[in-house]
Amino acid sequence: DAGVIQSPRHEVTEMGQEVTLRCKPISGHDYLFWYRQTMMRGLELLIYFNNNVPIDDSGMPEDRFSAKMPNASFSTLKIQPSEPRDSAVYFCASSLDTLNYGYTFGSGTRLTVV
Amino acid sequence: LAKTTQPISMDSYEGQEVNITCSHNNIATNDYITWYQQFPSQGPRFIIQGYKTKVTNEVASLFIPADRKSSTLSLPRVSLSDTAVYYCLVGGHTGTASKLTFGTGTRLQVTL
Repeated sequence: DAGVIQSPRHEVTEMGQEVTLRCKPISGHDYLFWYRQTMMRGLELLIYFNNNVPIDDSGMPEDRFSAKMPNASFSTLKIQPSEPRDSAVYFCASSLDTLNYGYTFGSGTRLTVV
Repeated sequence: LAKTTQPISMDSYEGQEVNITCSHNNIATNDYITWYQQFPSQGPRFIIQGYKTKVTNEVASLFIPADRKSSTLSLPRVSLSDTAVYYCLVGGHTGTASKLTFGTGTRLQVTL
């Protein structure tokens, strides 16, 4: 198994541009999570899905952020328009269930908004 | 959400045993205790999980006293490659995002 695959690994964009981050979870995992990590705030849960359905998006910072999971093997996190304060490492993780807490994280996407 | 408290940082020499303690005074009956490890430029990696007493795997041991208000991650004979941030999480299946949040973690530095 290739694990959780995220793309791109690095993204540099100008303020105001649309940014799309992509994630392929581990096959068979029913849960998918999007996290954001910064020095100031640490790891924050943005949203998670169960069986492709968004369960809780209360961590999404504002309306500029949106996430979709059109099928079991693909999810996107979109920021439109992007702002410099969105600069962070965005991680995607998947899991068989939330009770087990055995999340498998991807390598992350380092986003820099200039 | 059961709040967790960990030391911000720890230092150790290679070959020593390292114990990182996490306090979680308001842990709920259904909560599990889970530890993750994160290296720079990588996502966190699951290390170990337990509910009570002791759990051991090929990487670490987890000690949980009877009152479950704290837990200790034990890393035997650390090496330089164990230098990382270690996170303690407490929670269970609640369907709320707040249960799935990482704390500030403990930065372990291993030197020769």
